[in-house]
This record gives sequence, structure tokens and C-alpha cells, in this order.
Amino acid sequence: GAVVSQHPSWVICKSGTSVKIECRSLDFQATTMFWYRQFPKQSLMLMATSNEGSKATYEQGVEKDKFLINHASLTLSTLTVTSAHPEDSSFYICSPLKWTSGRMDYTQYFGPGTRLTVL
Amino acid sequence: SQQGEEDPQALSIQEGENATMNCSYKTSINNLQWYRQNSGRGLVHLILIRSNEREKHSGRLRVTLDTSKKSSSLLITASRAADTASYFCATATYSSASKIIFGSGTRLSIRP
Repeated sequence: GAVVSQHPSWVICKSGTSVKIECRSLDFQATTMFWYRQFPKQSLMLMATSNEGSKATYEQGVEKDKFLINHASLTLSTLTVTSAHPEDSSFYICSPLKWTSGRMDYTQYFGPGTRLTVL
Repeated sequence: SQQGEEDPQALSIQEGENATMNCSYKTSINNLQWYRQNSGRGLVHLILIRSNEREKHSGRLRVTLDTSKKSSSLLITASRAADTASYFCATATYSSASKIIFGSGTRLSIRP
């Protein structure tokens, strides 16, 4: 199966700092990337969808100025949590899509996740 | 945002019994997937059912989809202790604004 890496796997930062999370699809080109957030004992919440070369589409309630998504290439997407606060502590998961059959079908992959703890 | 609501939220059954989890969603979809997640671990893809399919089997798993009722069910037969995990449905719509949204999940516990 395809390989998706996420870096860092965990990060602890002070309140007010910014944290950048990288997601790479190592052996396929991901034109579509989802970013999810998962709080303990809860489901994955879709934060935003990004397509290579265009602006991300954010879900309702997700601040686009706080969670900056850059999908500049087909193998790299970044999520930057700006001015992080303790309530941003969560598990962040990237999920690239590998489209097939002329964009009629896809396989969804998941990064291993990044655990962010804001003190 | 979450599209799917799953019930029950938690289910505890005896090993060997069947487990049924349900997922309801709100909008039209292209397909629906079921995932398993063990505590503190990543997601494991179980099965995908397309919007034009009504039922699908994979080993001990049976998934149904009723697009008229916007609901799906996952049946695990002859449950095992190793089936203890959280189970999520995820609905996909792909067009100009593709989305894959997860349901709230069911925590399944299998008693030995």
C-alpha cells in the first residue's frame, strides 16, 4: 500500500507559539488532501479539504486564519496551527486521496497522526 | 462537522455473538466506508460500499446500505475479543468539493 508520512509525530509547545505539521505522500501524487482532528475518545472531525494549487475549503467552525493549510505540491501538504492554545491540543491526521480511473474512484490513505500538546 | 450519527454509541456483547452497528447520514453520497480504530492506534479500513450497492460481505463482516433511508449497518458475526475497538462509518462525496466525513463512532467491547 501507499506510504504517508507525517512529521512531527508528537509536539509539545507553549501557548501562543505556532506549530507546523507536514504530511507527505511518499509514492503517489495526492491532488486532494483532508485534514482531520481527533479528540480523545471521539471521532475524526474534518477540518478542511485542500486541492493542490488552490485554497483549502474549511469546515464550518474551523478558523482558516488559525489553521493554515498549504498544499503547494502533489506530495506535500502542511497544517500550521498559529498561536496555539491548550484547547488546540489534539491528534491531527492528514488523509491524502489517490484518485484512479480518471478521477472516478479513489483510495483514501491516512497519515500516522501528530499529537499536539499545548501547555 | 460530522455527517454520520452512529448507534449505539457503545455496545458490549459476549464473545461469539453478533454485533450490529448502524450509521445514518444526511446528504447524498458516492460511497460509504467502515473503519476500525483500536485505542490509541490508527484507522484500519474495513469495507467500502458504493451508493449503487445494497450489500457487501468481507469475511465476518456484512455491510448494508439503504440510500433511501440514508443509513448503513455493519454486522460482525461470531465476534472475537480482538474485535474490541471503535468502529466508524465515513461518507464520501466527491465532486468539485470532495469530502469524506466520519460518523460519531461505536465503541464495541467483546466480553470473553
